[in-house]
Order: sequence, then structure tokens, then C-alpha cells
Amino acid sequence: GAGVSQSPSNKVTEKGKDVELRCDPISGHTALYWYRQSLGQGLEFLIYFQGNSAPDKSGLPSDRFSAERTGGSVSTLTIQRTQQEDSAVYLCASSRRDRGYGYTFGSGTRLTVV
Amino acid sequence: DAKTTQPPSMDCAEGRAANLPCNHSTISGNEYVYWYRQIHSQGPQYIIHGLKNNETNEMASLIITEDRKSSTLILPHATLRDTAVYYCIVRVQIQGGSEKLVFGKGMKLTVNP
Repeated sequence: GAGVSQSPSNKVTEKGKDVELRCDPISGHTALYWYRQSLGQGLEFLIYFQGNSAPDKSGLPSDRFSAERTGGSVSTLTIQRTQQEDSAVYLCASSRRDRGYGYTFGSGTRLTVV
Repeated sequence: DAKTTQPPSMDCAEGRAANLPCNHSTISGNEYVYWYRQIHSQGPQYIIHGLKNNETNEMASLIITEDRKSSTLILPHATLRDTAVYYCIVRVQIQGGSEKLVFGKGMKLTVNP
């Protein structure tokens, strides 16, 4: 597609439930990032995928968070046993690997844990 | 651990040029400076990036000092729709080939009629 697509756009879940957030990057973009943004805060790096390399998971806040990227394209961010502090907008971005190219962000998934 | 510092906010009159400053005194020689903006409730939007030469595109101009320790984003004719949080970012290369954009708090630009 023309841009980075994220789904769902909004998700309300009960505390303790698992959620899956999906990201469809721009075709041909080999780099994919997940960030999250809590209300009124800046963006917090979560995880980075590049091609077939092992992902950089250094930003994941706890072992309840995991992400995978199948076939070098679509990515899923999974949050297990959600907590209220997980409420945030989760943003996905993709980029060509070549240095000096910008990242294109999706519109995000707004997650609310009640 | 953002490598950039920006003033928290700035006002600009509609139709005038908006000059947004950024300091990145610890930038390394191969690190690019990127500018993004985020309008309320939307994902960040790429504006421009540069390494050491000044850059211009349809949205803005980027002026990087010769020592690369600071830069200025210029919106030549600000409109009300340019009101947003602007992020100046250094693309950080991490050992092992990973990299990430480290977003600071950004700067809120308000364009006034």
C-alpha cells in the first residue's frame, strides 16, 4: 500500500487480557520499528526489525511484550496480561535500509486497558 | 537518552518564517539529523533530514552548522496547519547493526493567525 497500515485503530481491553496489534509496512521497506506514546509523552522505542537479522528488543518494557515479523513484512506486537500502564498509542514505522532515508509512521493503535 | 535538545515551545505568526533550533553537540560523524512533526492524534510525519549539507524540500529547509553541533529547521511561510510538536532526532547506530530514532520531548510550535 501507499503507507504504513496499523490495525485496529482503537482497542479497549480488560486488564489481564492479551492483545495483538498489527502493522503492515510499506512494500519493500526492510526495516520496521515499534514505538509507543503515552498520553502527553514523547515516543518510546520498543523493538526494531531489519531483514532477516535478529530483532533489537532492547526497548521492550517487560517480558509481557513480544513482537514478530513474518516473511519480512507484516509485524504483530503482542501484549500479554495487559496492565493499565500499557495504555498508550502504539506506533509502527518502516524504512528502507539505506542510510539517509526517512521513516514512515502509521497512524497508530490506541490501546486502552480498563 | 535523546541526543538532541530543543526549546519546549515557540510561537510564530502565520505567513512568517518559522526557525526551529536544535542542539546536537554530541553527534557523531556518520549520524544523520532528522526532523519529524506530530500533529495531534496522528503518527509522526517525516519532514527532512541531512548529514552535513543544507537541505531543502517542498516542506522545509534544514540548515546544519559547519561543526554539526546544531541545526535549524526553517518553515518559510508558516500556516495554521503547521501547528504541531516538532522533533529533532539523531539517528543512532547501535553496536551490532541495530539502529533507532530516539525521540526527545520535541518542541511545540504554535502558529498564530
